[in-house]
Amino acid sequence: EVQLVESGGGLVQPGGSLKLSCAASGFTFSGSAMHWVRQASGKGLEWVGHIRSKPNSYATAYAASVKGRFTISRDDSENTAYLQMDSLKTEDTAVYYCTRPQGVNSGSYYVAWGQGTLVTVSS
Amino acid sequence: QSALTQPASVSGSPGQSITISCTGTSSDVGGYNYVSWYQQHPNKAPKLMIYDVSNRPSGVSNRFSGSKSGNTASLTISGLQAEDEADYHCASYTSSSTMLFGGGTKLTVL
Repeated sequence: EVQLVESGGGLVQPGGSLKLSCAASGFTFSGSAMHWVRQASGKGLEWVGHIRSKPNSYATAYAASVKGRFTISRDDSENTAYLQMDSLKTEDTAVYYCTRPQGVNSGSYYVAWGQGTLVTVSS
Repeated sequence: QSALTQPASVSGSPGQSITISCTGTSSDVGGYNYVSWYQQHPNKAPKLMIYDVSNRPSGVSNRFSGSKSGNTASLTISGLQAEDEADYHCASYTSSSTMLFGGGTKLTVL
């Protein structure tokens, strides 16, 4: 059974940093891209970014709203993906999900989701 | 890129059919057959219901179906049941090799 477990959320001040983790099991993590998706309270889902697998040079891509502030990385030996969030803004407050994609290229649909971790940016 | 456009809410009575639309552009919905739909109950993670416009994952009821015409994709739920009440989100692969979501639609079963 595929499992994705996020951790690392919490309360942080504007301008601060936070690093989220996503521990994966039940599939060949090293062969899969991984995506992060967020959801502000009462709002829709927003794609944050992705990291591809080693054969694809661990290529990353980010939404315009987080580019230059967020960094996605992975440790295939630990089956874990990370989301480093710097220069946080109040509008980054959301539940953050890691997802396992399938489909074309870096992934075109999400077959598995974690339970989500809440990030609150507030003074 | 702007979010895909979905109606904020739809409603229907048990046994009826409803359709939720998802409108994008030729750079996303209209350009690829890579539209997916997700069901989300309150305080739960989303669940994949339809992928590649019209394909159902194993275990998803055949009451759920998807289609696309031009820049608009649609999710149809037939034989509405109380447990179908949830938020529904569409998503599309884009010409930038990224993903784009809609704003979500709240389905109320009357």
